[in-house]
Amino acid sequence: DSGVTQTPKHLITATGQRVTLRCSPRSGDLSVYWYQQSLDQGLQFLIQYYNGEERAKGNILERFSAQQFPDLHSELNLSSLELGDSALYFCASSVESGGGYTFGSGTRLTVV
Amino acid sequence: GIQVEQSPPDLILQEGANSTLRCNFSDSVNNLQWFHQNPWGQLINLFYIPSGTKQNGRLSATTVATERYSLLYISSSQTTDSGVYFCAAVTDSWGKLQFGAGTQVVVTP
Repeated sequence: DSGVTQTPKHLITATGQRVTLRCSPRSGDLSVYWYQQSLDQGLQFLIQYYNGEERAKGNILERFSAQQFPDLHSELNLSSLELGDSALYFCASSVESGGGYTFGSGTRLTVV
Repeated sequence: GIQVEQSPPDLILQEGANSTLRCNFSDSVNNLQWFHQNPWGQLINLFYIPSGTKQNGRLSATTVATERYSLLYISSSQTTDSGVYFCAAVTDSWGKLQFGAGTQVVVTP
């Protein structure tokens, strides 16, 4: 167990639907990052939060949004899902920005 | 942005063999990490190594920041070493990781 908890582990949903992925960072870590791993794009950075505030954005679609709550857990919301959104979504945390990362086990999203 | 290139893209090893994986990056980095993604998809942090050399059991890593490359050594490989090895670099102050495309390693008995 890495200390970063992601739920659910697997998710199958239909096109056009909306889902929420949840991440609890390792105890004491203030930074949370979301990454998407797809077969054609590799591992891509989506968004980062630090102590509740958005700090950096990557190639995140407008249909996707995220937030970090006061207890530091984070949620990634994916809406109007398309087949191409099928991927492994990882959350990672670190004590501070740029420090050693720890990844969660990922949520495998399948859009049918 | 920074380019991170890994070589070789694929590696097939017999159990017990040694190997070296390489990661080149196009710009100065604040941080460099190596990860192993096992066949179940889990990303496991191997080394946090912006410079210098570190060892952990049969694995070791060296980063030469001035020459913009890092090496991961696998010695006496085992079948459990199979998977994809990624290096990832941080160039900004907020810690965004830029991943390489990975090296797929298969260790055969």
